Amino acid sequence: QVQLVQSGAEVKKPGASVKVSCKASGYTFTNYDINWVRQATGQGLEWMGWMNPNSGNTGYAQKFQGRVTMTRNTSISTAYMELSSLRSEDTAVYYCARGQGTTWGQGTLVTVSS
Amino acid sequence: SYELTQPPSVSVSPGQTASITCSGDKLGDKYASWYQQKPGQSPVLVIYQDNKRPSGIPERFSGSNSGNTATLTISGTQAMDEADYYCQAWDSSTWVFGGGTKLTVL
Repeated sequence: QVQLVQSGAEVKKPGASVKVSCKASGYTFTNYDINWVRQATGQGLEWMGWMNPNSGNTGYAQKFQGRVTMTRNTSISTAYMELSSLRSEDTAVYYCARGQGTTWGQGTLVTVSS
Repeated sequence: SYELTQPPSVSVSPGQTASITCSGDKLGDKYASWYQQKPGQSPVLVIYQDNKRPSGIPERFSGSNSGNTATLTISGTQAMDEADYYCQAWDSSTWVFGGGTKLTVL
């Protein structure tokens, strides 16, 4: 079955970077965009950007421009989202989602704390 | 930037019909999707392209989108439908989410 499995929870200090992975299975990885969405505790969903795994093309929400980088490794069907210059407000669960949102990963908790 | 507005909460009695609205400028000209999210779980797509149900989503979930408002309707609401619901639309190649609506089944 179609599945997205994300990497485990991370704890980072302010100013550091974090890289979250999203491994796809059950479908052809390069056929569907990957979107990244985050959710702070008790808050709503916030879209961060998308990546086309076939071309590597990306599009980022204006809020994250210059701080986020989305990449992929097609040989292992894995997408990555790296967020730099972390601050406490970046503490959230980060999700990857396939295509139109039909399948989501289980989420990765990123905690930014000194 | 484009914005979508949802009511913070909606209450419904079991077996009744729940309607959750999502408002945005000329939203009817865009495709709307709806997600259900239960505590501690990832969002689940329940409606896409205004009114299509992914496989496995019960028929009691339906959607519409016209003018400035998209609506998620849950007919014969069950206790298991209690969750947060988010609308989402595409605008200039970006995803935009509404603020979310907490559906309480009383």
